[in-house]
Amino acid sequence: DAGVIQSPRHEVTEMGQEVTLRCKPISGHDYLFWYRQTMMRGLELLIYFNNNVPIDDSGMPEDRFSAKMPNASFSTLKIQPSEPRDSAVYFCASTRGRKIPHSPLHFGNGTRLTVT
Amino acid sequence: DAKTTQPNSMESNEEEPVHLPCNHSTISGTDYIHWYRQLPSQGPEYVIHGLTSNVNNRMASLAIAEDRKSSTLILHRATLRDAAVYYCILRDVAGSQGNLIFGKGTKLSVKP
Repeated sequence: DAGVIQSPRHEVTEMGQEVTLRCKPISGHDYLFWYRQTMMRGLELLIYFNNNVPIDDSGMPEDRFSAKMPNASFSTLKIQPSEPRDSAVYFCASTRGRKIPHSPLHFGNGTRLTVT
Repeated sequence: DAKTTQPNSMESNEEEPVHLPCNHSTISGTDYIHWYRQLPSQGPEYVIHGLTSNVNNRMASLAIAEDRKSSTLILHRATLRDAAVYYCILRDVAGSQGNLIFGKGTKLSVKP
C-alpha cells in the first residue's frame, strides 16, 4: 500500500499564476479530503468528496479555489490566480466511509506552496 | 461540532511515560474520541480512538473518563520519535460525514 500520494512536494510560484495540486488516494477509499495548514490557522478542512462527488466545500476560501475529482483515483486542487496569502502546506487525505467512525483518515505528506 | 481543549505544549524525558490530557465537556453520546499526531514535515497520522472503554494498541493507550468529559492519551515509553503535535478530535458517528476538525493540539517535546 503506497499510501496517499501528493504531488508536487514543493511548489514555488509567482502571484497571479495558476497552481494545481494533485492527489492520489488509497485504492478502495471512497472519501477524499483537502486540508490546508498554516501557522496562524492550523489545519483547516477545505473540501471533501464522497464517491467522487463534492459533499462540503464550505471551507474553500474563495472562488479562486476549485477542486475536482474526475475518478476514484485522482483529485486536483486548483488556485487561480494565486496570492501570497495562499502560501501554506496543503494535505490530501482519504478514508473508507463504510466503517466511519472507525476508519482513520490517511494523510499524504503534503504540498508546500509558496507564492511570491 | 463539539470542541476539545488541550494544553499548548508538554515536555517529557525519553523512556518515561507521557500523559496527554484532553477536555471535551460538551461531548455528545455519539461522539468518538480520536487522537492523531503530526510529526515534523509530515501529514497527521492516526494514533487511537475510543467511545467509552479504555483502548490499547501498539502505539498508545487511551483512557476515557467515566463521564466522557475528558480523556488521556498515554505513551508508555516516550522516544525521541514521539516528538510531535498531538490532536484530540471528536468524531460524530451520527453525522457520518467522515471529516475531522482539528484544533491546535499539544506540541510534545521529548528530551534525551
